Amino acid sequence: EVQLVESGGGLVQPGGSLRLSCAASGFTFSSYSMTWVRQAPGKGLEWVANIKQDGSEKYYVDSVKGRFTISRDNAKSSLYLQMNSLRADDTAVYYCARDRSRIVYWGQGTLVTVSS
Amino acid sequence: QSALTQPASVSGSPGQSITISCTGTSSDVGGYNYVSWYQQHPGKAPKLMIYEVSNRPSGVPDRFSGSKSGNTASLTISGLQAEDEADYYCSSYTSSSLVVFGGGTKLTVL
Repeated sequence: EVQLVESGGGLVQPGGSLRLSCAASGFTFSSYSMTWVRQAPGKGLEWVANIKQDGSEKYYVDSVKGRFTISRDNAKSSLYLQMNSLRADDTAVYYCARDRSRIVYWGQGTLVTVSS
Repeated sequence: QSALTQPASVSGSPGQSITISCTGTSSDVGGYNYVSWYQQHPGKAPKLMIYEVSNRPSGVPDRFSGSKSGNTASLTISGLQAEDEADYYCSSYTSSSLVVFGGGTKLTVL
């Protein structure tokens, strides 16, 4: 059974940093690109970042470019999102997801709240 | 990377059919057959309902169908059921190698 379990969310002050993790199991992690999608409270989905299977290519939505870094450790079947210079509009549930555009598997999400 | 345009809400009675549109540009919806549709119930993760414009993953009822014409994709739900009440999002691959979602459509089953 495919499982994606996010962790690392919480309350952080504006300008602060947070690192999200996603532990994957039930499939060959190194064979799939991985994606972070977020959803602000009461708002729609926003595709945030994607990383290729071997980590050689990374893609970011403009609103996080230069502030967020996606990475992965295939040996640990884990996906990460390092978030720096956080702003109030980064407040959202962050989902870890398998694949880039045809996303069958999603994590349960982890809430990031940016507030003073 | 502008969000794809969806109607904010649609409604229908049980047994009826509804269609949700998703309008983009030639750099996303119109340029690629990589349009997906997701269903999201409150407090839950999204569920893939349609991929590559018109393909249904296993387990998705054939009441759900997708199509595309030009820069606009559409999701049709026939034989509407109470459990179909949810938010629906389209997404498309883009010329920037990114993916963009639509703003979402709230479906109300009357």
